[in-house]
Amino acid sequence: KAGVTQTPRYLIKTRGQQVTLSCSPISGHRSVSWYQQTPGQGLQFLFEYFSETQRNKGNFPGRFSGRQFSNSRSEMNVSTLELGDSALYLCASSSSPEGAPLHFGNGTRLTVT
Amino acid sequence: AQTVTQSQPEMSVQEAETVTLSCTYDTSESDYYLFWYKQPPSRQMILVIRQEAYKQQNATENRFSVNFQKAAKSFSLKISDSQLGDAAMYFCAYRSAGYYGQNFVFGPGTRLSVLP
Repeated sequence: KAGVTQTPRYLIKTRGQQVTLSCSPISGHRSVSWYQQTPGQGLQFLFEYFSETQRNKGNFPGRFSGRQFSNSRSEMNVSTLELGDSALYLCASSSSPEGAPLHFGNGTRLTVT
Repeated sequence: AQTVTQSQPEMSVQEAETVTLSCTYDTSESDYYLFWYKQPPSRQMILVIRQEAYKQQNATENRFSVNFQKAAKSFSLKISDSQLGDAAMYFCAYRSAGYYGQNFVFGPGTRLSVLP
């Protein structure tokens, strides 16, 4: 079974631009979560989607948004990029919301200059 | 809100030796799940072990085992016969139980070095 796939692996953007990151979950997984990882803040939860519905959202500004498609693929969008948005963005899928472990992708390294 | 603490930012162990990574958490919930994840330099987070809070028996996966003390809210990871490939960041994580998806809460991580 193919793992969680995130594209692209690396991105360099300029302040003020917007960016879209993509995530394809493991086949059959309907729950997709996004996390931001930085050296200072560690791993922080962004949001979780299940069957195209956002079930939970972390404490991030409205510039961060996401969506999930009917095939469970998910996209995350960050608008009006700031320098502090530079981070590793990890996508994870799970087979159900109840107690199942997360399966992570390799992440997208976003650098904002 | 739940919090997860890992008090050891860095640890090192000699190859073939045993090391224990500490994790404590704070919650008022009685039903939850605990996990240890490993993140090697390749940066992909890999599940190491999972524990269900209602199970008293400590989880074990090959060389990895946990010491789960529910009353003390402690969840340490023991790695036996350490190998060079065990070198990585290790994250302890908490997830509430319940039908509606709950976000995972991760600790700050412990960087483990394995010395040859």
